[in-house]
Amino acid sequence: GDSVTQMEGPVTLSEEAFLTINCTYTATGYPSLFWYVQYPGEGLQLLLKATKADDKGSNKGFEATYRKETTSFHLEKGSVQVSDSAVYFCALSEGGYSTLTFGKGTMLLVSP
Amino acid sequence: DAGVTQSPTHLIKTRGQHVTLRCSPISGHKSVSWYQQVLGQGPQFIFQYYEKEERGRGNFPDRFSARQFPNYSSELNVNALLLGDSALYLCASSFDGYNEQFFGPGTRLTVL
Repeated sequence: GDSVTQMEGPVTLSEEAFLTINCTYTATGYPSLFWYVQYPGEGLQLLLKATKADDKGSNKGFEATYRKETTSFHLEKGSVQVSDSAVYFCALSEGGYSTLTFGKGTMLLVSP
Repeated sequence: DAGVTQSPTHLIKTRGQHVTLRCSPISGHKSVSWYQQVLGQGPQFIFQYYEKEERGRGNFPDRFSARQFPNYSSELNVNALLLGDSALYLCASSFDGYNEQFFGPGTRLTVL
């Protein structure tokens, strides 16, 4: 079945550092790929998405490119802020319906 | 506009009891999905409903059931609670089940 693998956390960075969170996936077809963010005590918010190979999703300075050849969707940001501290989830959906398969999540901690 | 709302926010039950969780989707959305998020893990899909019909079901035992009402709100029911059912239960709504899902803040269930 479908699965998503994310790098283990926590990722600890200083403000203004470069961020990469790795995500790889296994799917039978051509899934859509997503990054969700979960702030403490809150539900999930969609951060960005890509629906086909080579698409780049971007939002709030975050970017991720759908790489079919490496089955990856790594999240990057050039300069993180303390307010970016949260848990980030990579996810996919396949087969038409929007049912999501999530990775285990990666906690990001940014210090001033 | 109001987002997805869930009630209650927190709930404590004992093993063997029954629980009902409630979700109201965004106005105009006709599809509701339920996810279970165990501490430290990514959300896992439980059910998706569209126009009061079950459209998809994840790998959960028959103790889990759900329904959707004519106003598109939804209930998730769990019978014979186990300690392992302790989790954050997330509801997500989308217009038709094919498009972006918007998540509610969740219901934190603790089973003692």
